[in-house]
Amino acid sequence: GENVEQHPSTLSVQEGDSAVIKCTYSDSASNYFPWYKQELGKRPQLIIDIRSNVGEKKDQRIAVTLNKTAKHFSLHITETQPEDSAVYFCAASVSGSEKLVFGKGTKLTVNP
Amino acid sequence: NAGVTQTPKFQVLKTGQSMTLQCAQDMNHEYMSWYRQDPGMGLRLIHYSVGAGITDQGEVPNGYNVSRSTTEDFPLRLLSAAPSQTSVYFCASSYLMGGNTEAFFGQGTRLTVV
Repeated sequence: GENVEQHPSTLSVQEGDSAVIKCTYSDSASNYFPWYKQELGKRPQLIIDIRSNVGEKKDQRIAVTLNKTAKHFSLHITETQPEDSAVYFCAASVSGSEKLVFGKGTKLTVNP
Repeated sequence: NAGVTQTPKFQVLKTGQSMTLQCAQDMNHEYMSWYRQDPGMGLRLIHYSVGAGITDQGEVPNGYNVSRSTTEDFPLRLLSAAPSQTSVYFCASSYLMGGNTEAFFGQGTRLTVV
């Protein structure tokens, strides 16, 4: 079945710097790749997603890139702010089964 | 719309007890799923469903049962609770439109098994 690996597990940056989180997936049939943000004590919420027919997607300070050949995708956050501090999860889903499998998460800390 | 509603928010069980975690959504989503969240382990899929009457196992299904008799409800049953099932449980739902889409999560249930 699908396996999603996420790196790094923790990431600390200075306010204003960029942050990059990387994920790899095992099932070449996966075609949907969302990213979720979970603040302390809260539920995960979608911040951006990408489908396999697109190589890059941007939404203000966040962007996701997808390399289908290498089976990896990345989250990029620019001009980080303290409120970006949270745990970020990547996930992958295969059309047909729709099973959504998550990575283990990255704890991002943005230091003021 | 209430979104995805989970009950209870907190629960303490004794080893061997059984219980049902409730999950209901009012968005007419086809896909529903249950995850458990443990420190350092991310969100692990327990069971999922793509529609009423259809369920399938995820990564960690042992010790849990589910059923999907209606589109709205997807309860998770712990048959005989064990301390290893101490965790935070999240229910999620989403539309299926040529594949999966944004998953909406419930507020979570913090379960402790003693």
